[in-house]
Formats: sequence, C-alpha cells, structure tokens
Amino acid sequence: GAGVSQSPSNKVTEKGKDVELRCDPISGHTALYWYRQRLGQGLEFLIYFQGNSAPDKSGLPSDRFSAERTGESVSTLTIQRTQQEDSAVYLCASTGLAGYNEQFFGPGTRLTVL
Amino acid sequence: RKEVEQDPGPFNVPEGATVAFNCTYSNSASQSFFWYRQDCRKEPKLLMSVYSSGNEDGRFTAQLNRASQYISLLIRDSKLSDSATYLCVVRSGGGFKTIFGAGTRLFVKA
Repeated sequence: GAGVSQSPSNKVTEKGKDVELRCDPISGHTALYWYRQRLGQGLEFLIYFQGNSAPDKSGLPSDRFSAERTGESVSTLTIQRTQQEDSAVYLCASTGLAGYNEQFFGPGTRLTVL
Repeated sequence: RKEVEQDPGPFNVPEGATVAFNCTYSNSASQSFFWYRQDCRKEPKLLMSVYSSGNEDGRFTAQLNRASQYISLLIRDSKLSDSATYLCVVRSGGGFKTIFGAGTRLFVKA
C-alpha cells in the first residue's frame, strides 16, 4: 500500500518568504509527527497530532512555525518569514495504534533558505 | 542534558566484527524504546523495538536496562550493508511523543 508522502520534495526560497510543507500519512494512521533534521544532525521533534486530541506543539522552535491537521488526514507545516537557519530536511511520520507503533517516515522535504 | 544521548561515533569496523552501541535516556517514565536505522540522505526506518526482556533479530540484539536508563544494540558479523546511522528512540508515558537520539554512525569496511 501507499506509504507516507510529502511534498514538495525540494523547496528553495528566499529569506523572509513563507513556505508550506505537506504530509499525506498512511491511511488510518491516527498519529502524525513532524521532525526537522539539519545537515549532519539528528531528528528534532517539532509537533505531533494524535486523532482529535490537542496537538503537542512543544517542539516548535518559534512562533513562525505552525502546523495543522484535519482529522486523520493531510497535515501542513507552515514556516513564516523563513530564516537561513530554517534550512533543513523536514520529515513527517505517521503511526497507527497497534503494537509498538512503528513510525513510518516520508521521504522528507529539503528546504533551502537563501 | 539531552533527553536521549548517543555516542556519535563514527565506529569504523571490519567486516565480520561485532559492534555495540549504547544509548542513555533521562526520563525514567519512558516506556517504549526502539532502534531506527538511517542511510545517508534517506528517511529513518525501524530496525527493531526493544523489549524489557531483551530481544534478538538475526545478527541484531537489543537490550534495555531500566535501572540504569540505557539501551544497547549489538551487531554481530557486521556486513558492509550495515553501514548507516543508528538512531536510539524513546517514547515517554502513555502518549505518542518520541525523542530521537542524534545517532551513531557506523562504517563497515571490507
């Protein structure tokens, strides 16, 4: 079946512009995560959604970052007034309820802020 | 102190060697533990879950020590294809928030 998909795969933008990144989770997966991974670094938790519960936004680095998810479907991560330090790969993962809840990752969006 | 800490390496080992990675976590309420593998410029993929009693999957063995708050991964008979970054992952409490370690890089050489 279809895995997690993300779009765009690459995004180059100018400093100060807003960007929107999209994630399509695996159908039926209730939990969805966003992570940021800078070059040569580990994954940095940003936000997660679980069903209709309030999202855990504790990892968002600033108020320029926001994310939305409608029900158990698509999620969008928005970065306003982008800065060069926002350059990274943004990874989305989803997980179901069964077992130990393996996270399935999308291929990521590589964001470059000039 | 980071919530999940790993030795970044790199570990450079010859084919056939046995290599072990450790990972420590700070939240004693953590309940689920995993090892993920990430190849260069690829997304992470689950390698194995870590159970309290320890578990083995082929050449890979994972152990959990709750008292000392660390988990380990042992790779026996290393293959060239094992070269990757190994990520320690911890989930706290009954929720879904997960914390990834920064990863340990492994290079297996012929």
